[in-house]
Amino acid sequence: QITLKESGPTVVKPTQTLTLTCTFSGFSLSTRGVGVGWIRQPPGKALDWLALTYWDDDKRYNPSLKSRLTITKDTSKNRVVLTMTNMDPVDTGTYYCAHAQYGDNYYFDYWGQGTLVSVSS
Amino acid sequence: QSVLTQPPSASGTPGQRVTISCFGSSSNIGSNTVNWYQQLPGAAPKLLIYSDNKRASGVPYRFSGSKSGTSASLAISGLRSDDEADYYCAGWDDSLSGREVFGGGTRLTVL
Repeated sequence: QITLKESGPTVVKPTQTLTLTCTFSGFSLSTRGVGVGWIRQPPGKALDWLALTYWDDDKRYNPSLKSRLTITKDTSKNRVVLTMTNMDPVDTGTYYCAHAQYGDNYYFDYWGQGTLVSVSS
Repeated sequence: QSVLTQPPSASGTPGQRVTISCFGSSSNIGSNTVNWYQQLPGAAPKLLIYSDNKRASGVPYRFSGSKSGTSASLAISGLRSDDEADYYCAGWDDSLSGREVFGGGTRLTVL
């Protein structure tokens, strides 16, 4: 049974760095064709992909946010960490991590419950 | 502005068949597969359809996906009140060194 859970601060101040942790179980990030991604959703708005780390250590970022994002994985601890620098009120929203599975392309087949992050002074 | 374009809303009555469209381009839908997600109010998204037309585990046969050229569609037959949700298409886009892209979402209302 695959589960994922996001953790991190609920409130950050503008210009601060956000660090979110995705702790997962039921799979290994060293298994071929597997990845973990981060997706966010501003209140009342659409899903917005942030980053993806793959089983083979490849990493991909949303080009519009690439300079602010870092995704790392700790395979032995079943964790993926996302850091986002220089936070702004427009970054307020729910942040999800999700298991990515390769078929013809990758798709997100298991999602965490999400964690709400507010950016406010 | 989302890379994948969806109608903001759709509606139907119980038992009806509704379709939700997703328009893209040659760099995304035209060259990569499409996935569909359902997001019930207050919940995390859930995978419905992957690789254009494959139902995810446990998804009823009432849900089906199709693709032609640079557009894709999600069809829901035998509409039920608990299908009321937001639906998102998504897929990989080969531009800008590659990125996952989502549609703007379609809110389905069951009248």
